[in-house]
Amino acid sequence: EVQLVQSGAEVKRPGESLKISCKGSGYSFSNYWIAWVRQMPGKGLEWMGIIYPGDSDTRYSPSFQGQVTISADKSISTAYLQWSSLKASDTAMYYCARILYGGTVYFQHWGQGSLVTVSS
Amino acid sequence: SYVLTQPPSVSVAPGQTARITCGGNNIGSDRVHWYQQKPGQAPVLVVHDDYDRPSGIPERFSGSKSGNTATLTISRVEAGDEADYYCQVWDESSDRVFGGGTKLTVL
Repeated sequence: EVQLVQSGAEVKRPGESLKISCKGSGYSFSNYWIAWVRQMPGKGLEWMGIIYPGDSDTRYSPSFQGQVTISADKSISTAYLQWSSLKASDTAMYYCARILYGGTVYFQHWGQGSLVTVSS
Repeated sequence: SYVLTQPPSVSVAPGQTARITCGGNNIGSDRVHWYQQKPGQAPVLVVHDDYDRPSGIPERFSGSKSGNTATLTISRVEAGDEADYYCQVWDESSDRVFGGGTKLTVL
């Protein structure tokens, strides 16, 4: 069974850094792209970026380029999303998802989400 | 930037059929995927590639496409189908690959 287990909720101050994680199991982690998706309170889904753990090829949504860093460590089947300096507007639920990436691209399996709250 | 347009809300009585639309200029040439998100839960893929269902998704969920509009149809609606539904296409150059979402209310 494919599972993506994300790290827990975080409460941070503006300006702090943060790295959240997404651990995959039940499949060959290196061979499938992982996406990060943001959902702000009461709002819709926004793709942030994707990474191929096999070679760390990474692509970013135009809106998130330069705002976050996506990485992966295939040796421990884990992908990461990090911020160097959080803002209040980063408060959101963040989901990782395994995607099928090729002639068609869709989000096959989702993690349970990591809630990030940024408040002074 | 790709824009997918969904109605904000759809209401239907139990046992009836719900149709949720997704409009976009290039939808006719793109593959459309649909997700269900119940309150407090992660999204779940219910239809991919216009009309294919992942294993475990009831046959009551079906997808179709005509011209520049894709439609998710839910037959014999149940109370448990109440959720937000999102359509999705892929355009890596766009920051908008998801529609705005439709809240399905079961009356």
